[in-house]
Amino acid sequence: DGGITQSPKYLFRKEGQNVTLSCEQNLNHDAMYWYRQDPGQGLRLIYYSQIVNDFQKGDIAEGYSVSREKKESFPLTVTSAQKNPTAFYLCASSITRDGPYEQYFGPGTRLTVT
Amino acid sequence: KQEVTQIPAALSVPEGENLVLNCSFTDSAIYNLQWFRQDPGKGLTSLLLIQSSQREQTSGRLNASLDKSSGRSTLYIAASQPGDSATYLCAVTTGANSKLTFGKGITLSVRP
Repeated sequence: DGGITQSPKYLFRKEGQNVTLSCEQNLNHDAMYWYRQDPGQGLRLIYYSQIVNDFQKGDIAEGYSVSREKKESFPLTVTSAQKNPTAFYLCASSITRDGPYEQYFGPGTRLTVT
Repeated sequence: KQEVTQIPAALSVPEGENLVLNCSFTDSAIYNLQWFRQDPGKGLTSLLLIQSSQREQTSGRLNASLDKSSGRSTLYIAASQPGDSATYLCAVTTGANSKLTFGKGITLSVRP
C-alpha cells in the first residue's frame, strides 16, 4: 500500500535532548512537509522540501532542523533550542514541486518533553 | 498574510441532519482549497480538493463549494451519521510551493 509512515507514534524525551522524528513516503512524491499541531492553534508549517537536497523554512522553523537526502525520507530533528517542543507532529507530501497539488498526511507523532 | 477562519469551533447535531461547515480566508489569490477530516489522535485525511478555477467538488455525501472572490468555502454534509463525528479542517494554498494555511478546525459531534 502506498502512503506516508511516521514513527514512532508516541515519543517521550527529557528536556535538553535532541530527538529525531521519522517520515517516509512511497508515493514517489517530490515535495514533503512538516507541520506542528497544538490544541486550539491549528497546524503550522515547520519546514518543507520540494526536491532532494533542498528545503526551506516554514513559519515556525526555529529550534528545528531537517534533511532530505532521499526522495522518500524527510526526518525532522527537534533540538534543545525549541522552547515548547511538546506537540503533535504531522508529515505530509504532495505529488510535484511544480504546482500546488493535494497534500497527503501521515498518522503523526506525539512528542512529549518533560 | 493569509488567514483562514472556521466558525464555530464546535458543533453538535442530531443524526440525519444536513449540515454546513464554513471556512473563510483573507487573501482570495489562492491556488486551491482542501477540506480535511481528523479523528482524535490521528493524522489528516483529505476529503475534497477544489482548484481555484472550480466552484464545487462532490464525494458521496460531501459537497464542497468555493467562492474565491468572497473568500469563502462551505462543506455540506448530507444526512449526517455518528461516524461523521470528527474535526474538519479547511486549508488553502496561496503560493506555488503548495504551502498550506490551515484554519483551526470545527469539531463536529453527531448524536445518535
